[in-house]
Amino acid sequence: DTAVSQTPKYLVTQMGNDKSIKCEQNLGHDTMYWYKQDSKKFLKIMFSYNNKELIINETVPNRFSPKSPDKAHLNLHINSLELGDSAVYFCASSEGVAGNEKLFFGSGTQLSVL
Amino acid sequence: DQQVKQNSPSLSVQEGRISILNCDYTNSMFDYFLWYKKYPAEGPTFLISISSIKDKNEDGRFTVFLNKSAKHLSLHIVPSQPGDSAVYFCAASVGTGRRALTFGSGTRLQVQP
Repeated sequence: DTAVSQTPKYLVTQMGNDKSIKCEQNLGHDTMYWYKQDSKKFLKIMFSYNNKELIINETVPNRFSPKSPDKAHLNLHINSLELGDSAVYFCASSEGVAGNEKLFFGSGTQLSVL
Repeated sequence: DQQVKQNSPSLSVQEGRISILNCDYTNSMFDYFLWYKKYPAEGPTFLISISSIKDKNEDGRFTVFLNKSAKHLSLHIVPSQPGDSAVYFCAASVGTGRRALTFGSGTRLQVQP
């Protein structure tokens, strides 16, 4: 029974397309995140939601739009995909919003933009 | 500007020996540090953490050491086992702030049988 699940696991698409990645957690956590693992392997925060409220929005192109229909779900929609968007995207959740919270990660979505 | 750095991309050790993974940080506001372990095709999983009020935290075979003056932490694994082969990420945060974790780029540990 996966705690944080994201779909799809792999996503291959053409430049200019619009795509979505879905994430769900069954841990009862209040906070969810999207991280991007870039080509240099750093995991960088993109967004964070707490109880459906956006609390962290790093410098991310506005082609990326997170949506949280409820506190168990955080989806990521990407418009007009570019080559540089190719990366692994990880969803995560934590109980609260403090910086010392443990994060629980999904298994990642490998996005390849051709 | 990477605030958390893991300068060794890979490390290979023999089974039974000690593995030492290093991490440096530049932001003096960081006061909480974590290590995550990642297997291929899986997400990172929490391993061990340390608050800046301590200089050592131990959990079984895993010990994290923090040197605040040097802005350096290390993860020791003793004894190393083949199942420890994974990528290890160091992460840091301002513990009480509404901030997400800042991660390093990871160190790939290979434990040879």
